[in-house]
Amino acid sequence: AQTVTQSQPEMSVQEAETVTLSCTYDTSESNYYLFWYKQPPSRQMILVIRQEAYKQQNATENRFSVNFQKAAKSFSLKISDSQLGDTAMYFCAFMKLGDSNYQLIWGAGTKLIIKP
Amino acid sequence: GAGVSQSPSNKVTEKGKDVELRCDPISGHTALYWYRQSLGQGLEFLIYFQGNSAPDKSGLPSDRFSAERTGGSVSTLTIQRTQQEDSAVYLCASSSFLGRSYGYTFGSGTRLTVV
Repeated sequence: AQTVTQSQPEMSVQEAETVTLSCTYDTSESNYYLFWYKQPPSRQMILVIRQEAYKQQNATENRFSVNFQKAAKSFSLKISDSQLGDTAMYFCAFMKLGDSNYQLIWGAGTKLIIKP
Repeated sequence: GAGVSQSPSNKVTEKGKDVELRCDPISGHTALYWYRQSLGQGLEFLIYFQGNSAPDKSGLPSDRFSAERTGGSVSTLTIQRTQQEDSAVYLCASSSFLGRSYGYTFGSGTRLTVV
């Protein structure tokens, strides 16, 4: 069975700083996706970034980038030039591919606070 | 619609009453999840629908919880004889898995308060 671990329950940084959120996962699968979702106080879950396991190149979306280390089963999220609007819960998720059951396995989340 | 719609946004009910929570997924999305999220906690899987396959109900916490998805579109989560521990935000998410759409779109959730 797959598991996802986020070891940082809460983090706090000053506005404009760079912050990295960690995520590790355990799987014997070779074909999968990894995701980072953001949940601001409005409670809407928003997809931040997605990484296909077969791709060696790290995914980037504007100020958001990942450090995907497949052998180490690590998938950290880096937020550059952090903004007040980045304050939210961040969840890491794993999805196995290859069958018709596209279920997500979730980490427990990291609460990120950006201070002015 | 443009996004996943959930109704009601907020629901306050008395202990012992039944409630129905509705999810309208994005048109054409074949996969649909229900999750429960208690205050400050992560996502607790409840039930998963994928196309015409039998739903995965393994996350439903008790037989008071049930869900259906009519015509592969709208889904209703029903909680019978509500208890105070059922108080939480109930989130719905859908996906199509077409092309590069390997990601779920979430609704804004229903906040259920049992008093």
